[in-house]
Amino acid sequence: ETGVTQTPRHLVMGMTNKKSLKCEQHLGHNAMYWYKQSAKKPLELMFVYNFKEQTENNSVPSRFSPECPNSSHLFLHLHTLQPEDSALYLCASSQDREGWTPLHFGNGTRLTVT
Amino acid sequence: GQQLNQSPQSMFIQEGEDVSMNCTSSSIFNTWLWYKQDPGEGPVLLIALYKAGELTSNGRLTAQFGITRKDSFLNISASIPSDVGIYFCAGLRAGGTSYGKLTFGQGTILTVHP
Repeated sequence: ETGVTQTPRHLVMGMTNKKSLKCEQHLGHNAMYWYKQSAKKPLELMFVYNFKEQTENNSVPSRFSPECPNSSHLFLHLHTLQPEDSALYLCASSQDREGWTPLHFGNGTRLTVT
Repeated sequence: GQQLNQSPQSMFIQEGEDVSMNCTSSSIFNTWLWYKQDPGEGPVLLIALYKAGELTSNGRLTAQFGITRKDSFLNISASIPSDVGIYFCAGLRAGGTSYGKLTFGQGTILTVHP
């Protein structure tokens, strides 16, 4: 596999459930990102990790909990979500050492909170 | 916060027509990116612009980095049905750390009628 892979592609969960989104990048990048994409709104940056260290938390509610065990893997743990959290969640990676490269995105996880 | 004004929000054109869309901001950016998102997939990078005044082509696509560093446009010539999708501009702001500091436009939804 190449590029950025996200699983699952679709997820339906109740407000009391706990679930996790997974992202894996095969590009040798050092930075990984979570974005939220809602209809008719710009992409919203949620979290940034660089070499496993979180460098950005864009005022995201604590019901979203990221985890980055290494530079290739990124998780987003979800618990007690709200219906307004339904959206497409996109993972991306880039190289941010000795020069910056544009973000490469995965195909996203379509999340529906019921 | 910084905002990018992307226009038009949507376009309905006939196959073979040329397309033009643009992004403007009150802030200065040192990199402009154009992405395309097909239904059910993540955004894919089309063109990256790194210098003010730069004009870059990728097949039927041409994009320019505005001289003022506050705007960019994307042109598509001789559109075909597979050009359908959402086109996003993104700007990387000048100064500071670059991690995740992309600002995205709201997107232009392009529909091409055969």
